[in-house]
Amino acid sequence: GNSVTQMEGPVTLSEEAFLTINCTYTATGYPSLFWYVQYPGEGLQLLLKATKADDKGSNKGFEATYRKETTSFHLEKGSVQVSDSAVYFCALSDPRSNYKLTFGKGTLLTVNP
Amino acid sequence: KAGVTQTPRYLIKTRGQQVTLSCSPISGHRSVSWYQQTPGQGLQFLFEYFSETQRNKGNFPGRFSGRQFSNSRSEMNVSTLELGDSALYLCASRREGGILAKNIQYFGAGTRLSVL
Repeated sequence: GNSVTQMEGPVTLSEEAFLTINCTYTATGYPSLFWYVQYPGEGLQLLLKATKADDKGSNKGFEATYRKETTSFHLEKGSVQVSDSAVYFCALSDPRSNYKLTFGKGTLLTVNP
Repeated sequence: KAGVTQTPRYLIKTRGQQVTLSCSPISGHRSVSWYQQTPGQGLQFLFEYFSETQRNKGNFPGRFSGRQFSNSRSEMNVSTLELGDSALYLCASRREGGILAKNIQYFGAGTRLSVL
């Protein structure tokens, strides 16, 4: 079956530091890949997405590239802000199962001023 | 455009009781999925409804059930509550269609259920 593995953290950074959160996946088909973000007390918000190999998703300074050869979708941001503090989830969506989402365990990011 | 609305936001129940959670999808979205989020197990898929029919089901006991109405609103029910059912229950909706843009899932804020 499908699975997603991401670094669990927690990750603590100073403001303006570089962020990488690793994510790898296992899938038999051709999934789409996502990063969702969850702020305290809230639901999940879609951060970015990629639908096929070599696609780069980007939003709010975050980027991730769909790498089929390494089955990875690592999240990066060049300069984090305190407001980026949240839990980040990597996920894949399989059209063969009606786009059911399979999530990684989540990575808690804390950015200190 | 209103987002996915879940009610209530918080619930406290005791073991053995049953509970019903509600989800109103984004207008025009026909698919509703439910997920359970716990610190130990993370985010797990419960089930998906489309056109009032359960189309996909996760690996949860029969105490967990759901339904969808003709206006696409959905409810999930948990009977005979156990302590381990304490979790954040998230609902997600998507439009449904032939391209990814119509199949992105948008989440509500969730219902936090505490079982005492």
